[in-house]
Amino acid sequence: EPEVTQTPSHQVTQMGQEVILRCVPISNHLYFYWYRQILGQKVEFLVSFYNNEISEKSEIFDDQFSVERPDGSNFTLKIRSTKLEDSAMYFCASSQQGASYEQYFGPGTRLTVT
Amino acid sequence: QKEVEQNSGPLSVPEGAIASLNCTYSDRGSQSFFWYRQYSGKSPELIMFIYSNGDKEDGRFTAQLNKASQYVSLLIRDSQPSDSATYLCAVSNTDKLIFGTGTRLQVFP
Repeated sequence: EPEVTQTPSHQVTQMGQEVILRCVPISNHLYFYWYRQILGQKVEFLVSFYNNEISEKSEIFDDQFSVERPDGSNFTLKIRSTKLEDSAMYFCASSQQGASYEQYFGPGTRLTVT
Repeated sequence: QKEVEQNSGPLSVPEGAIASLNCTYSDRGSQSFFWYRQYSGKSPELIMFIYSNGDKEDGRFTAQLNKASQYVSLLIRDSQPSDSATYLCAVSNTDKLIFGTGTRLQVFP
């Protein structure tokens, strides 16, 4: 069964460093998402991406964040200068038809900023 | 602020019983409603979604939607210890999902 994959599973970085989180969405899906979950808190939306552009972003997704689909399979989230408060699980999700339809999540990347 | 509310639990039920999980949402314009299961340290796993008023059944799971009351529920029949997890309610809004905090379900033998 097709699934969303993410790498790395765990990333440790120092404050101020840049990190890139990688995702391979399900192959026939057209809508891509990043969410994050701080330990013990709810899943929060960061950004949605369709047709090679951002379709929606949250207040969390400020100028430190960017997304890219560099080729036909990968979808990346870049954090330019990490802060301690960026420590969280980051989930990539994809959907064939958009947010009103099934959205499947990858296993997540645990980001630890020290 | 569009909100999705869930009782955090834990909800404890004996094995074989029906577990009933509830969720309310604030935005009347919401169109689709999702239930995800999340085991500790893992990602959300889609159980089912519903967009029409009424019931939708899938195996041991039944989702119920009442748009007038802005209320979604999930029933789990014949609960098993392996169902012990946090159940997340999510509501679609424009091009994103808004999640509740989740209800922790404990099924004891």
